[in-house]
Amino acid sequence: AQSVSQHNHHVILSEAASLELGCNYSYGGTVNLFWYVQYPGQHLQLLLKYFSGDPLVKGIKGFEAEFIKSKFSFNLRKPSVQWSDTAEYFCAVNVTPPGYALNFGKGTSLLVTP
Amino acid sequence: DSGVTQTPKHLITATGQRVTLRCSPRSGDLSVYWYQQSLDQGLQFLIQYYNGEERAKGNILERFSAQQFPDLHSELNLSSLELGDSALYFCASSVGRARANEQFFGPGTRLTVL
Repeated sequence: AQSVSQHNHHVILSEAASLELGCNYSYGGTVNLFWYVQYPGQHLQLLLKYFSGDPLVKGIKGFEAEFIKSKFSFNLRKPSVQWSDTAEYFCAVNVTPPGYALNFGKGTSLLVTP
Repeated sequence: DSGVTQTPKHLITATGQRVTLRCSPRSGDLSVYWYQQSLDQGLQFLIQYYNGEERAKGNILERFSAQQFPDLHSELNLSSLELGDSALYFCASSVGRARANEQFFGPGTRLTVL
């Protein structure tokens, strides 16, 4: 079955620590990949997306992600997290026609401590 | 602010009741997607409409239905409500229906069924 897996459900980091959140998907063929962030009490916002081309994608707020096709992975990274990065992070793919709705992972809750 | 609006923000109702959630997409967007976010199931796609017509269905229960009106706003109708329907319901919109279209999310409606 098609799926998106996020391995880390809860992550706690100190400010200035580096972040890497794992995401793997099980689709073959062409995929579009996304990372969304949900700050406490807010709606989902797009951090970055990969459609094609350079597998290293840069997004907003200093986040980046690397698409590794051979590993079916799209890990999210940030070199130095801030307290304001505390949020829920969702990896998603859209591969299923005709609507190409997003298929989300279960999410990773990130807590950044001062 | 994504430009997608949802009303109401909060809804508290009793089992067996029927409710209607409303979504107004961003100006110019023709596609509307509905998603359900719950603790146990995570974020799940329910249904998509494109320019007034149903485009794709996900894990939507038969007790749930939706429609998109000529002015492109959409309503999600939930009937015979059960405790397990308590969740955050998100609406998202995109310009079209293609794989490459980015989806913009609304703030959500939090439904509590007592």
